[in-house]
Amino acid sequence: EIVLAQSPGTLSLSPGERVTLSCRASQSVNNNYLAWYQQKPGQAPRLLIYGASSRATGIPDRFSGSGSGTDFTLTISRLEPEDFAVYYCQQYAYSPLTFGGGTKVEIK
Amino acid sequence: EVQLLESGGGLEQPGGSLRLSCAASGFIFSSYAMSWVRQAPGKGLEWVSYIIGSGDDTYYADSVKGRFTISRDNSKNTLYLLMNGLRAEDTAVYYCAKRSTWGGGTFDYWGQGTLVTVSS
Repeated sequence: EIVLAQSPGTLSLSPGERVTLSCRASQSVNNNYLAWYQQKPGQAPRLLIYGASSRATGIPDRFSGSGSGTDFTLTISRLEPEDFAVYYCQQYAYSPLTFGGGTKVEIK
Repeated sequence: EVQLLESGGGLEQPGGSLRLSCAASGFIFSSYAMSWVRQAPGKGLEWVSYIIGSGDDTYYADSVKGRFTISRDNSKNTLYLLMNGLRAEDTAVYYCAKRSTWGGGTFDYWGQGTLVTVSS
């Protein structure tokens, strides 16, 4: 089973700041089959990025994904008030599908 | 508009059973694999089970294998999760999720979730 480690656990930031979230896999993720989701309190997750760097439909271009192999990054170029949430990475290269533990982006 | 509506959650005793349902609309249900993903209170996401569009192939997390059964009725556009031998650690919000249009094991639409509580 591929274990995904996300860091940091929590980030305290202000609107307008740039955010970089990390996701490290315990082994190489084939074909960069790595996705990112956003989840707000009381809501279901929302797909942001798939294939490590492709934005899902309707996702603003301030969200971008990068990385390969075992190290992946989600970047939010300029935090908007609606971006304060928990972010999860997920690998879908191997069964079982696995998620990282999440990074909470909170308002400073 | 794609909609996924889960139902069937509730309070059940350890060792008991529950059947979750997920009513789908707004897309060709039989063309898409579906999955159940759960989230324990205050915790992260955990993939539970996956079924392909025809229903012929199913996959399970080790934590539920042998206890949970995923199925679907394409004539009713409904996904199911039969949960037997429930344990306290199965307590979670259970989401049904649709495989993304572009394929792969990502999920582009999710239901609102149904809470399962296992406690005596």
